[in-house]
Amino acid sequence: SQQGEEDPQALSIQEGENATMNCSYKTSINNLQWYRQNSGRGLVHLILIRSNEREKHSGRLRVTLDTSKKSSSLLITASRAADTASYFCATERQLTFGSGTQLTVLP
Amino acid sequence: DTGVSQNPRHKITKRGQNVTFRCDPISEHNRLYWYRQTLGQGPEFLTYFQNEAQLEKSRLLSDRFSAERPKGSFSTLEIQRTEQGDSAMYLCASRPRTSTDTQYFGPGTRLTVL
Repeated sequence: SQQGEEDPQALSIQEGENATMNCSYKTSINNLQWYRQNSGRGLVHLILIRSNEREKHSGRLRVTLDTSKKSSSLLITASRAADTASYFCATERQLTFGSGTQLTVLP
Repeated sequence: DTGVSQNPRHKITKRGQNVTFRCDPISEHNRLYWYRQTLGQGPEFLTYFQNEAQLEKSRLLSDRFSAERPKGSFSTLEIQRTEQGDSAMYLCASRPRTSTDTQYFGPGTRLTVL
């Protein structure tokens, strides 16, 4: 069974807007990671947040983690057409993935 | 190119045939993972190697599947007697010796079983 579940399943926004995706998981974790996948390609690691961290930034990415609610969010600011991809959260070393959020950024 | 490479990128086969995929990890990475991904879903863990030792296998890895990493470098994933349900993207990832949990993924092998 998949531990991480992303929400929404699909998101369509205009270029320049912010995109927020959420992830919920079931069991205790040491860290949570976000990955991006362009259509038909492998996954690219975006950011890792540890269980003792609440927020982390990397460029236009901002990730939050709430271990009490077993949830995380990924915010992409000032989105670009090139951000169009599927986004997955994953937990632990085996990387248990959810079904992903398909983000479409319209020019 | 020093990333993870996978071959072939695409494979079309008939039901009942055997197929073998290869993964070449980043050279200094001692840990290697195989995942399977079907359309619209996230990757599902199949198996994990540390050096040449296969340390973990998912229940998804039926007896028709076998993976090897004989010298602790490249790995192969073989599917025997393929079924239409095996059609998927097979992803390989590697991870370095350091404590980071970040995995580096290859481009995948897309298998279509007719």
